[in-house]
Amino acid sequence: DVKVTQSSRYLVKRTGEKVFLECVQDMDHENMFWYRQDPGLGLRLIYFSYDVKMKEKGDIPEGYSVSREKKERFSLILESASTNQTSMYLCASSSSGVGDEKLFFGSGTQLSVL
Amino acid sequence: AQSVTQLGSHVSVSEGALVLLRCNYSSSVPPYLFWYVQYPNQGLQLLLKYTTGATLVKGINGFEAEFKKSETSFHLTKPSAHMSDAAEYFCAVTIHASGGSYIPTFGRGTSLIVHP
Repeated sequence: DVKVTQSSRYLVKRTGEKVFLECVQDMDHENMFWYRQDPGLGLRLIYFSYDVKMKEKGDIPEGYSVSREKKERFSLILESASTNQTSMYLCASSSSGVGDEKLFFGSGTQLSVL
Repeated sequence: AQSVTQLGSHVSVSEGALVLLRCNYSSSVPPYLFWYVQYPNQGLQLLLKYTTGATLVKGINGFEAEFKKSETSFHLTKPSAHMSDAAEYFCAVTIHASGGSYIPTFGRGTSLIVHP
């Protein structure tokens, strides 16, 4: 069964901490995405990557960075966590093939910044 | 640029009643359109998609959606709601972007509530 795995389901961090959210996919997908989900705001794209070491800013990249050193792994980094980054974070992956536009999602990481 | 508007943050129906979740989009190029469903404490999963061809598309769990270009709509329907359909539903529009990837833009979501 295809899988996108996010390393933590729940995470509690303090303001100012550096936070790493990890995502691994086992489908050999070229594309990987990080979204944050907030009530009433839907999913907003933070960053995406269409190849190893490639990254593109999404709609709300401020305060975040990403790393993709291997094809299967896409990390989201909060350099200095702030309370307004408390949210559900969703990782997704997809293939680049025509007809393969479907996203596969992980179960999400609920991050609380205190 | 592309955008998606889902009308109604919450929709409440009785079990057995028609489900209608509304989605309108804007896109400068022919869009690919999707509906995803999110059950509690889970990630999103694809319900159905429209890319080209037949404008009425059928998905999982008895859902279907019709692409209406003249109305820029892609409403989701199901003839008879079941309690297990209670979930958050997201409409998404996708355009072709860098490196051959497709970047979806999601609506704000509609929470479907099903009453016994």
